[in-house]
Amino acid sequence: DTGVSQDPRHKITKRGQNVTFRCDPISEHNRLYWYRQTLGQGPEFLTYFQNEAQLEKSRLLSDRFSAERPKGSFSTLEIQRTEQGDSAMYLCASSRRTGGSTDTQYFGPGTRLTVL
Amino acid sequence: AQTVTQSQPEMSVQEAETVTLSCTYDTSESDYYLFWYKQPPSRQMILVIRQEAYKQQNATENRFSVNFQKAAKSFSLKISDSQLGDAAMYFCAYRRSGGSNYKLTFGKGTLLTVNP
Repeated sequence: DTGVSQDPRHKITKRGQNVTFRCDPISEHNRLYWYRQTLGQGPEFLTYFQNEAQLEKSRLLSDRFSAERPKGSFSTLEIQRTEQGDSAMYLCASSRRTGGSTDTQYFGPGTRLTVL
Repeated sequence: AQTVTQSQPEMSVQEAETVTLSCTYDTSESDYYLFWYKQPPSRQMILVIRQEAYKQQNATENRFSVNFQKAAKSFSLKISDSQLGDAAMYFCAYRRSGGSNYKLTFGKGTLLTVNP
């Protein structure tokens, strides 16, 4: 396994701009999660995909946020009209459905977003 | 809703000594999973240890062990023979057992410093 990768690692943008992040999960992992981590806090769940289906979205995910996972492979997270409060680390994790339900999540390195 | 509380924002330990990180959680579920994740500075989060709630035996992974007290809803992490590489932010996390969304609920983390 090559691990979960995320691109870009850092993004600086001006308020009001749109940004898009990409996550490539571990191959054959059918579950993919997005979390947001602000300074001094633990990660908070944003949304979850099983294959290409987005099964749950947190109330943290406002209408400005959209996530996709076409063909059940990589995923993108887009933030429209960014606000300073969107500044955070965006983490992606993936896992594989197994016969049991341990479902260990493997995390990527994250994308650090700074909104000026 | 489930909540996870880590009451120690920071802890320090001398190299080769033992340290215990505390975690409590709140849930109405009877079956669930608990995890400790490690997040080194500027590096991605990795799983340290996990515990299934239905198992009475405490999980152990090399120098890492847990003290799982289900009735008290307590899940502490003990690190024995601490090494410099153990320095990191440690997050306690909860995951329900049933359902289709295996999202993790994290505590705020404990920053562990290892002194040489």
